[in-house]
Amino acid sequence: GENVEQHPSTLSVQEGDSAVIKCTYSDSASNYFPWYKQELGKRPQLIIDIRSNVGEKKDQRIAVTLNKTAKHFSLHITETQPEDSAVYFCAASGNTGNQFYFGTGTSLTVIP
Amino acid sequence: DAMVIQNPRYQVTQFGKPVTLSCSQTLNHNVMYWYQQKSSQAPKLLFHYYDKDFNNEADTPDNFQSRRPNTSFCFLDIRSPGLGDAAMYLCATSRDWAGAAYEQYFGPGTRLTVT
Repeated sequence: GENVEQHPSTLSVQEGDSAVIKCTYSDSASNYFPWYKQELGKRPQLIIDIRSNVGEKKDQRIAVTLNKTAKHFSLHITETQPEDSAVYFCAASGNTGNQFYFGTGTSLTVIP
Repeated sequence: DAMVIQNPRYQVTQFGKPVTLSCSQTLNHNVMYWYQQKSSQAPKLLFHYYDKDFNNEADTPDNFQSRRPNTSFCFLDIRSPGLGDAAMYLCATSRDWAGAAYEQYFGPGTRLTVT
């Protein structure tokens, strides 16, 4: 099955700085790559996603880039705010399209 | 409005005593998932249904079973819970797959404690 690796596992940034989280995947047939934000004790919430026919997608302060050749994708958060502090998970859809495999998570702390 | 509902939100069971967790959805999505999430770890896919077709992950223990009696409901049965099964169990749904995956909607989770 799909193997998704995520780095770094923890990330601390000063408020206003940018944060970048990177993921790699193993299955070249994967075609959908969502990013989730999970606050303590809460459900994962989709914050942005990208499909394999697109190289970059942006939504206000959040952007995702995808390199299909290298099989990696990244989350970029600009102008970070304390409320961005959470655990972020990347995921990739399996080759059947129904299975989702998660990265190991990045705990982001934004220091005021 | 609640879209994916999980009951109960907190469940305490004894070692070896069967327990059932439930999930319901108002989205009319064809695909339903069960994940296990332990503290500080990523959600781990246990199994999923595409309509009534059941798909088990290769490393999901036999101790875990699932039922989907209709589109709206899905159940997770743990036949003989061990201490290692204490975790958050997340249910999720997504709409039809047509060559590509679609956004998953997660329920609030059920926190299972095994004593």
